Amino acid sequence: GDSVTQMEGPVTLSEEAFLTINCTYTATGYPSLFWYVQYPGEGLQLLLKATKADDKGSNKGFEATYRKETTSFHLEKGSVQVSDSAVYFCALIENSNTGKLIFGQGTTLQVKP
Amino acid sequence: DAMVIQNPRYQVTQFGKPVTLSCSQTLNHNVMYWYQQKSSQAPKLLFHYYDKDFNNEADTPDNFQSRRPNTSFCFLDIRSPGLGDAAMYLCATSRSTGSYNEQFFGPGTRLTVL
Repeated sequence: GDSVTQMEGPVTLSEEAFLTINCTYTATGYPSLFWYVQYPGEGLQLLLKATKADDKGSNKGFEATYRKETTSFHLEKGSVQVSDSAVYFCALIENSNTGKLIFGQGTTLQVKP
Repeated sequence: DAMVIQNPRYQVTQFGKPVTLSCSQTLNHNVMYWYQQKSSQAPKLLFHYYDKDFNNEADTPDNFQSRRPNTSFCFLDIRSPGLGDAAMYLCATSRSTGSYNEQFFGPGTRLTVL
C-alpha cells in the first residue's frame, strides 16, 4: 500500500540555520503531497502542498518540490526561527474517493536561540 | 472565525467505560474525518463521513463507532476503551474528498485510559 517515510528526528538547529527534512513516498498512482505542522498542544495545520510533478509548494519561508523521479518531497527553509519548533508531518492523498491522508511518522524540529 | 472545535481537550476514562468525543465545525464542510494519533506516531484514519454516508477503514476496530447527526457535529464513541486506545483523537473537515481539498484539523482530544 501507499506509504510515506520521513527522516528520523529530533532535528536540532540553531536559529538562522538551513533546514532540510527528507520525505519519500510510495504510491501506485499520482498522489497529492502535503506538509503539515503540529505545534505543541495543537492540532495539525497545513503548511504547504503540491498536486503534480515538479510543482513547488511554499508558505512562511518553507518550500518543497514534488519530485516524481525520486518520489520525494523534501521540506526546506533557508533560515529557521525558534518559533518554527514543532513536529512536521509529510503526507499524501492517493485515493481522491476518500481523501484519506497517509502520514509519515513525523519529524520533531527544535530550534535553539 | 470558521473553525473545527473538539471537546473535551482532555478526557480520562476507566478501562471498559464507554466514552464519547465531540467535534463540531463552522466551515459547513461536507466531509468529516476522525484520526487516531498514538504517542510519537503518525495520525491514522479511523473513518469519515461524506454528508451522511459513513465510510469505515478496514482496520478500524469494532470498538470504535461514529455518529453525525447533522452537518456541524460528529461524534466518536469508544464502546469499551482499552489501555491501547489511549491516544490523541483528531477531527478534520474538508469541502470534498478530492486530493485538492485541504483538510482542516481541530486541536484534538487527548484520551487517557486508566
